[in-house]
Amino acid sequence: NAGVTQTPKFRVLKTGQSMTLLCAQDMNHEYMYWYRQDPGMGLRLIHYSVGEGTTAKGEVPDGYNVSRLKKQNFLLGLESAAPSQTSVYFCASSYSTSRSYNEQFFGPGTRLTVL
Amino acid sequence: AQTVTQSQPEMSVQEAETVTLSCTYDTSESDYYLFWYKQPPSRQMILVIRQEAYKQQNATENRFSVNFQKAAKSFSLKISDSQLGDAAMYFCAYSGGWGATNKLIFGTGTLLAVQP
Repeated sequence: NAGVTQTPKFRVLKTGQSMTLLCAQDMNHEYMYWYRQDPGMGLRLIHYSVGEGTTAKGEVPDGYNVSRLKKQNFLLGLESAAPSQTSVYFCASSYSTSRSYNEQFFGPGTRLTVL
Repeated sequence: AQTVTQSQPEMSVQEAETVTLSCTYDTSESDYYLFWYKQPPSRQMILVIRQEAYKQQNATENRFSVNFQKAAKSFSLKISDSQLGDAAMYFCAYSGGWGATNKLIFGTGTLLAVQP
């Protein structure tokens, strides 16, 4: 049971390049999330998904796209990277809510630098 | 919109002593959850403790406990018998209640140093 994994762990891009970050979970979770972490700002939600084939915007969605074609995978895409997207990106997953909150499990993070 | 505020960017504690990290939040919801996450230098996000707003009893997990003051919208974390391994960034986080898709709203964090 690997939990939540993220690929790659580190990446350096030039301005204007594109890339995709992959998040995979093996816990059969319905919900998945992408956050970014910047110094002094905590983690902020970019996009999230409540099930296969569905996605929704979070707090800071501009410049990113996501897809959830398979339940276990959640992809975050940057079509044209900008220096402002230099950050650490975290993926998380959880069971769907019923009457009680279900813990979010986080991946190890991806450090992205855009030059 | 909900907000979470951590007013202590850095804190320091002596090993074996007790430290309290502060967190305040703002919400108009009556049903919600509050969390403390630990982030060591490895970057891994680790859930330390959680509190359901409908529960009056403060949550406790071993050396970690919270002081939840719902009316004051305050949620502090107390670490007793501090250990060197407690040194980390600590984030307070909020999530809406039932049906809110578990989205987390984080504070800006408190960096805790533990002095030997």
